[in-house]
Amino acid sequence: GAGVSQTPSNKVTEKGKYVELRCDPISGHTALYWYRQSLGQGPEFLIYFQGTGAADDSGLPNDRFFAVRPEGSVSTLKIQRTERGDSAVYLCASSLRLDLRDEQFFGPGTRLTVL
Amino acid sequence: SQQGEEDPQALSIQEGENATMNCSYKTSINNLQWYRQNSGRGLVHLILIRSNEREKHSGRLRVTLDTSKKSSSLLITASRAADTASYFCATKKQTGANNLFFGTGTRLTVIP
Repeated sequence: GAGVSQTPSNKVTEKGKYVELRCDPISGHTALYWYRQSLGQGPEFLIYFQGTGAADDSGLPNDRFFAVRPEGSVSTLKIQRTERGDSAVYLCASSLRLDLRDEQFFGPGTRLTVL
Repeated sequence: SQQGEEDPQALSIQEGENATMNCSYKTSINNLQWYRQNSGRGLVHLILIRSNEREKHSGRLRVTLDTSKKSSSLLITASRAADTASYFCATKKQTGANNLFFGTGTRLTVIP
């Protein structure tokens, strides 16, 4: 595809519900990253994948958050028992390789609102 | 947690003027990147400067890096109303993590 795509663009849910956020990276990009951006702040790292495996999940805030990338392409970020504090824009990025020099290309984000 | 901070938090200038934004960071880095963001959504990569570089240009953008002071600046010359956006610096650590560490951002408003 032309760029990283994310669905849905907006998600409104109630406290305690389960949500899934999807990311389609650029075709051929092996590295995929998830970030979370709260209002007025810069993005904060959550997790990144090299291929199908999570290379670093140290940014996930707690065990309610989980992400998968079963076929090494599309990734899903899953949030259980959502809380109001989870409200943020969730950004996905991909890069050609997991390499310090590689540029990350960002998707438009999913705005999650937990009521 | 945030790796860096941008200064100023907000900047308002007239079209045609130059805009300068500064970024400070905390750890040794492999490279530093500047991103632009409109309306709190997708980030657009502007420019990357490596730790062994001191200055880089791209069109109307000029980036400097001072690793001894752990700081960088982004200069946008001859600003346009379309440059109105938030600008973030992001760093990649020298070793270990491959993710980006973002600063807090500068909100630039260019008045036509």
